[in-house]
Amino acid sequence: DTAVSQTPKYLVTQMGNDKSIKCEQNLGHDTMYWYKQDSKKFLKIMFSYNNKELIINETVPNRFSPKSPDKAHLNLHINSLELGDSAVYFCASSQPSGRASYNEQFFGPGTRLTVL
Amino acid sequence: SQQGEEDPQALSIQEGENATMNCSYKTSINNLQWYRQNSGRGLVHLILIRSNEREKHSGRLRVTLDTSKKSSSLLITASRAADTASYFCATDEWGGSEKLVFGKGTKLTVNP
Repeated sequence: DTAVSQTPKYLVTQMGNDKSIKCEQNLGHDTMYWYKQDSKKFLKIMFSYNNKELIINETVPNRFSPKSPDKAHLNLHINSLELGDSAVYFCASSQPSGRASYNEQFFGPGTRLTVL
Repeated sequence: SQQGEEDPQALSIQEGENATMNCSYKTSINNLQWYRQNSGRGLVHLILIRSNEREKHSGRLRVTLDTSKKSSSLLITASRAADTASYFCATDEWGGSEKLVFGKGTKLTVNP
């Protein structure tokens, strides 16, 4: 049983196109994230949602728009794709830290986006 | 801003040897976590150490945390070829939002 799943696994598209990546988690977690991992393996958070509410937006261009229809899903839509958007995008989920400060995250397998 | 910095960037050892990776960070933290990423896969959580803990063990993994030096180390004992992966530290900043800040990772290669 897949805990955090993403589709598609690979996405190759032309500059200027609009594309979406879907993410679903069956762990019952309240919080979901999108990360971008560049070619040097640097992993940076983009967005975080808690119970469908946006709580983190890390200076990501407006071309990126996350959407959370329910707390088990967090999709990422990207408009007007640029060459620099090529990367691996990871979805993750966790329970909120609260006072316990416990924030283990569970990652999906990643979506490799290539913009030509 | 980047929080964790792993050292070394790459490490190559023989099976059976121990592997030590280090992580330094800049701000006060609630906890520090280590993750493993196999090639082409997502990250997998290995171990979490809280700011009031100094050492933690899990199987062949040993993590230390020195908050005065703002550093942590991950030791993998009796390494196996299957341990070949990239290892990342991530910090959960004290008073911050629900986000982890990841370092650039150490690429470990264990040769059979």
